[in-house]
Amino acid sequence: AQSVTQLDSQVPVFEEAPVELRCNYSSSVSVYLFWYVQYPNQGLQLLLKYLSGSTLVKGINGFEAEFNKSQTSFHLRKPSVHISDTAEYFCAVSGRNTPLVFGKGTRLSVIA
Amino acid sequence: DGGITQSPKYLFRKEGQNVTLSCEQNLNHDAMYWYRQDPGQGLRLIYYSQIVNDFQKGDIAEGYSVSREKKESFPLTVTSAQKNPTAFYLCASSPERAYTDTQYFGPGTRLTVL
Repeated sequence: AQSVTQLDSQVPVFEEAPVELRCNYSSSVSVYLFWYVQYPNQGLQLLLKYLSGSTLVKGINGFEAEFNKSQTSFHLRKPSVHISDTAEYFCAVSGRNTPLVFGKGTRLSVIA
Repeated sequence: DGGITQSPKYLFRKEGQNVTLSCEQNLNHDAMYWYRQDPGQGLRLIYYSQIVNDFQKGDIAEGYSVSREKKESFPLTVTSAQKNPTAFYLCASSPERAYTDTQYFGPGTRLTVL
């Protein structure tokens, strides 16, 4: 079965500083990787996804992630965060025949 | 406006009672999903349906039941057999049946058992 590990449960960062949220997944023949964001008391929305092709994926709100097959990682990055980026971020993985499995989430707190 | 609606936003239930959570989508999506979210646990899949009149168990289906009689509706019943039902429940849908599809989420229902 697929599994996802988000290495940090909470990440505090100052406004305009860069941030990296880490995600590792269990190895499989074919994996599809996703990052979703959840603002307080809301549903989730997709930030970006990797299905195939270029390993650097750009998403909404200035976020990007890099698929690294050898390290089984899919870390999310943003060069300069804003207060409005404060939210919970979920990494998720699916396979060709397996539904989406989510990590436990990383709470990003941007400090003014 | 197209989207996914979940009702009610907050739900209280007495122990031992069944309760049904509503999920409706007008996106014409084939697939629908139910997740449970607990603090620090991420989202866990309860049930999913890729086509009308068919559904599959997810990782934590025990104590829950679903139906998919119409494409736009996928209600979830939390039965008295669910030992710890207090949680935030999220419904989602995706355009097709492929696991590569983006999922679109509703705003959630917070269920509290008194």
